[in-house]
Amino acid sequence: GQNIDQPTEMTATEGAIVQINCTYQTSGFNGLFWYQQHAGEAPTFLSYNVLDGLEEKGRFSSFLSRSKGYSYLLLKELQMKDSASYLCAAMDSNYQLIWGAGTKLIIKP
Amino acid sequence: NAGVTQTPKFRVLKTGQSMTLLCAQDMNHEYMYWYRQDPGMGLRLIHYSVGEGTTAKGEVPDGYNVSRLKKQNFLLGLESAAPSQTSVYFCASSTGFSGANVLTFGAGSRLTVL
Repeated sequence: GQNIDQPTEMTATEGAIVQINCTYQTSGFNGLFWYQQHAGEAPTFLSYNVLDGLEEKGRFSSFLSRSKGYSYLLLKELQMKDSASYLCAAMDSNYQLIWGAGTKLIIKP
Repeated sequence: NAGVTQTPKFRVLKTGQSMTLLCAQDMNHEYMYWYRQDPGMGLRLIHYSVGEGTTAKGEVPDGYNVSRLKKQNFLLGLESAAPSQTSVYFCASSTGFSGANVLTFGAGSRLTVL
């Protein structure tokens, strides 16, 4: 079956760095997405990886290892506004998205 | 530029009642989707559309119907609501299936079925 695993909740300190991991099993693979969702709001796109390696976008970076079925989202210089859920989603061979349950990130001062 | 707009934002129904959720997008996107989001679970695709006049079933289509009569609108209907349909519903749109198929989501519609 197809499956996405990510931690349910993580806590980090303002100004620190946090890494949110995601492992996936899909029938075929056409890329890995990360979305951010603040409580009570819509998910918004953060990043897309289809090739192995690290993609950097400001304070946020996303890494992919296709051979390991593994991705992570790295958030640097954490700010209080980064408190949100982070959704990992893998696209299968039919271009359908398989979504993880999300990781709730709590930032403490 | 409004993006994706969903109405209503909140609704309470009794078991057996019917209702329609409306989704409108102004980005000229071809593809539109309806998802539901439940605690502890990932987003689950209910139905989707790859263009005006077309619809297709997603992962959890039972108990729902959809229509896409106009490119900018995608309607989700519940003919006979059940408590299991209590959820937050998100509409999304995108330019189309491809690798970097970025979804733009609406703000969500919270539905409670008593």
